[in-house]
Amino acid sequence: RKEVEQDPGPFNVPEGATVAFNCTYSNSASQSFFWYRQDCRKEPKLLMSVYSSGNEDGRFTAQLNRASQYISLLIRDSKLSDSATYLCVVTYSGGGADGLTFGKGTHLIIQP
Amino acid sequence: DAGVTQSPTHLIKTRGQHVTLRCSPISGHKSVSWYQQVLGQGPQFIFQYYEKEERGRGNFPDRFSARQFPNYSSELNVNALLLGDSALYLCASSNPPLLAFYNEQFFGPGTRLTVL
Repeated sequence: RKEVEQDPGPFNVPEGATVAFNCTYSNSASQSFFWYRQDCRKEPKLLMSVYSSGNEDGRFTAQLNRASQYISLLIRDSKLSDSATYLCVVTYSGGGADGLTFGKGTHLIIQP
Repeated sequence: DAGVTQSPTHLIKTRGQHVTLRCSPISGHKSVSWYQQVLGQGPQFIFQYYEKEERGRGNFPDRFSARQFPNYSSELNVNALLLGDSALYLCASSNPPLLAFYNEQFFGPGTRLTVL
């Protein structure tokens, strides 16, 4: 069974703090990994891809641990605008023929 | 350039009715995928169409069907609506150079369906 598990939160974090989310996936055949961001009542948007070597995009760092089958997202110096739901996403085949498999999302609230 | 567009934005139906949702992909994109997002859950994959053929199907009943037109736009049809079909229906477009490789999927704003 293909599952992606996330802590739904909410995570209430003061502005400027560092926050980290984890996500676990059950199917070792997973090929590609992503973090999407979804604002309230909006569509999901790609935040960043996740590579085995780890990757960084400004204040955001994503890491993949294939052996333990988990993905992480670290947000440094959090801003009020970071408040959103963060969706962990996995694909099981190329081209998206099996679609994207989403976790339920982690709700983040940045407080002033 | 216009992004993915979907119509209608909101829809209210009653149990047993059918509904047709429409999606226009980003210009040049040949693949369209459909997702259902129930409140409080992540999106769930329903279908993928590429070059007018169904390439993938999620775990949804036969009441759900879709098609893709020569201009790459797509329709999602749901028959015999149930209360549990109330959800945000998202369309995503992409343009994988080869189906063996993943390409970013760009989501439309969705159609919010309420079944009473």
